[in-house]
Amino acid sequence: AQSVTQPDIHITVSEGASLELRCNYSYGATPYLFWYVQSPGQGLQLLLKYFSGDTLVQGIKGFEAEFKRSQSSFNLRKPSVHWSDAAEYFCAVGGNSGYSTLTFGKGTMLLVSP
Amino acid sequence: DAMVIQNPRYQVTQFGKPVTLSCSQTLNHNVMYWYQQKSSQAPKLLFHYYDKDFNNEADTPDNFQSRRPNTSFCFLDIRSPGLGDAAMYLCATSTRTSGHKQYFGPGTRLTVT
Repeated sequence: AQSVTQPDIHITVSEGASLELRCNYSYGATPYLFWYVQSPGQGLQLLLKYFSGDTLVQGIKGFEAEFKRSQSSFNLRKPSVHWSDAAEYFCAVGGNSGYSTLTFGKGTMLLVSP
Repeated sequence: DAMVIQNPRYQVTQFGKPVTLSCSQTLNHNVMYWYQQKSSQAPKLLFHYYDKDFNNEADTPDNFQSRRPNTSFCFLDIRSPGLGDAAMYLCATSTRTSGHKQYFGPGTRLTVT
C-alpha cells in the first residue's frame, strides 16, 4: 500500500528566508509525486509534480522539489519565502495506472513571520 | 476559464437529515473524485468515477453515496449525517491526458447541527 509521511506538522519561517518541507513516501514501484498547497477555506492547488526524468522539478510560485529515490523523499523547497506563502502544504503519491488515486500526507502548515 | 465548481460553498444540515453536495466541471474530464477533509487532516478519498464506473474506497461508510448523471456533474449524498461527518468535502477531476494531475474545486464546508 502506498503512504506519505510529512514529519513536520507546523513550520515557521521568517519572510525572505529559505524553506524546505519534508516528504517521505512508500510505494512499490516508481511513484508519481505531487505537492499541493491549500489556503484556508480553499481547495488544493497543484504546485508541481514528478513523473520521471530530471529529479529536480520546478513548479509555480518559485517552488521546486527534488526526488531522491534512495531516500524515498520528495522535499519541497523555496529560496525566499513571501508572506503570501503561508498555507498548508500537502505531499501526495499516486500510481501509474493511467489515472491516479492520490494518497496524501497529513500536511505541513507553513507560518511566515515578519 | 475551465474549472471545477462546487455548490454550495457552505452547507448546514441537521443531524440525520439527508444532504446532497454538488460538483460540476467544464474540463470534460472523465474521472471525478470526492474527498473528505476534516480539520487539520489530509484529504481522504471517499470514491471516484472513471467515466460511469463507480469505485468505492473500502473504508467509505455506507452512509455516503454518489451519483454521476453525466460527464459534467457528480453528487455526494449523505443519507443520515452524523456530527462526525462535519468536514470539508472536495471534488476533483482528472483525465489520462492531464498527466495524473487532479484539478480541485474550492470545496463545500459541511456543518452538522
